[in-house]
Amino acid sequence: EPEVTQTPSHQVTQMGQEVILRCVPISNHLYFYWYRQILGQKVEFLVSFYNNEISEKSEIFDDQFSVERPDGSNFTLKIRSTKLEDSAMYFCASKRGGRTRYEQYFGPGTRLTVT
Amino acid sequence: QQPVQSPQAVILREGEDAVINCSSSKALYSVHWYRQKHGEAPVFLMILLKGGEQKGHEKISASFNEKKQQSSLYLTASQLSYSGTYFCGTETSGNTPLVFGKGTRLSVIA
Repeated sequence: EPEVTQTPSHQVTQMGQEVILRCVPISNHLYFYWYRQILGQKVEFLVSFYNNEISEKSEIFDDQFSVERPDGSNFTLKIRSTKLEDSAMYFCASKRGGRTRYEQYFGPGTRLTVT
Repeated sequence: QQPVQSPQAVILREGEDAVINCSSSKALYSVHWYRQKHGEAPVFLMILLKGGEQKGHEKISASFNEKKQQSSLYLTASQLSYSGTYFCGTETSGNTPLVFGKGTRLSVIA
């Protein structure tokens, strides 16, 4: 069964450093999402991406964040200058779109620890 | 605005039933249910669409009351494997991002 993959599974970085989190969505999916989950809290939406552009973003997704789909398979989330409060689990999700499939499939997540 | 889930937590013995509710103050297009085990990604369980269409897990059922903008997830004859945190995610249109509730922690004990 196809699945969303994410790398790395765990990233430790120092405050102020840039990090790139990588995701490979399911191959025939058209909609891509990043969510984050601070330990013990709910899953929060960051950004959605469709047709090579951001379709929606939350208040959390400020100028420090950016997304890219550089090569038609990878979907990346970049945090330019990490802060302590960026420590969280980051999930990528994808959805096929259209009327036949609506569910979002989540990847296993990347645990980001900012020290 | 995030949906409100209730209860916040529930403990069941194996074989018992549970109902988890998810309410929204906004008109909903769909409600999605996920289960998350500790340290793992959310796993899709069920989707309920405005108009009555459903798709999801064979052993789990759910309802969507469009008038009340409320969904309920029914877990019957619970098994140990049902333990986890259940999140509902709501969409206000077909391609909006999911807005998740705070989750309901379900613990099934032997």
